[in-house]
Amino acid sequence: RKEVEQDPGPFNVPEGATVAFNCTYSNSASQSFFWYRQDCRKEPKLLMSVYSSGNEDGRFTAQLNRASQYISLLIRDSKLSDSATYLCVVGSRGKLIFGQGTELSVKP
Amino acid sequence: NAGVTQTPKFRILKIGQSMTLQCTQDMNHNYMYWYRQDPGMGLKLIYYSVGAGITDKGEVPNGYNVSRSTTEDFPLRLELAAPSQTSVYFCASSYSPPTGVYNEQFFGPGTRLTVL
Repeated sequence: RKEVEQDPGPFNVPEGATVAFNCTYSNSASQSFFWYRQDCRKEPKLLMSVYSSGNEDGRFTAQLNRASQYISLLIRDSKLSDSATYLCVVGSRGKLIFGQGTELSVKP
Repeated sequence: NAGVTQTPKFRILKIGQSMTLQCTQDMNHNYMYWYRQDPGMGLKLIYYSVGAGITDKGEVPNGYNVSRSTTEDFPLRLELAAPSQTSVYFCASSYSPPTGVYNEQFFGPGTRLTVL
């Protein structure tokens, strides 16, 4: 079993749609949780950290369920510029463990 | 600030050749990392460093070596290139430890390496 698993994707959605990404992690002692965004052939960039109480940044909402070892990212009112690969990242055993990413394509 | 810079951007190597991937950061970060990303896969940690003079192995260190003589520089050395090392290599740095809640890793633009 992979340490961090994400929805396989790709997700193809129209502009304005709401889309949700799911992620599970295997190590219950994991300490920190993040979503990174990676544009095609570019470096990853931090989108947002995920806190236990859940957090929101504009159109983006992240949730963490430690009991189920599950992380989610909700994007509301999708824009063309949201097209990218979204990486679920977990801090575990002193390192960051990256999921394989879920690709999102937002169409006009 | 330039952030994290990497050179070269692209390189083609023949099997058995050696090369060094350069990484420099100007943010005075103590923590630096090397990752590789294969197509459709997540990033895998190769080596990391918590400060000048201190390095440690990550998940996939075989075939690579690193050094950290200064805070700014963290070069990655491939000694005997193999086709399995064909990948995109990212260098990153952070101010705080990798698993800190407020940690953000800043990545360089990557080096695309092909071994034929």
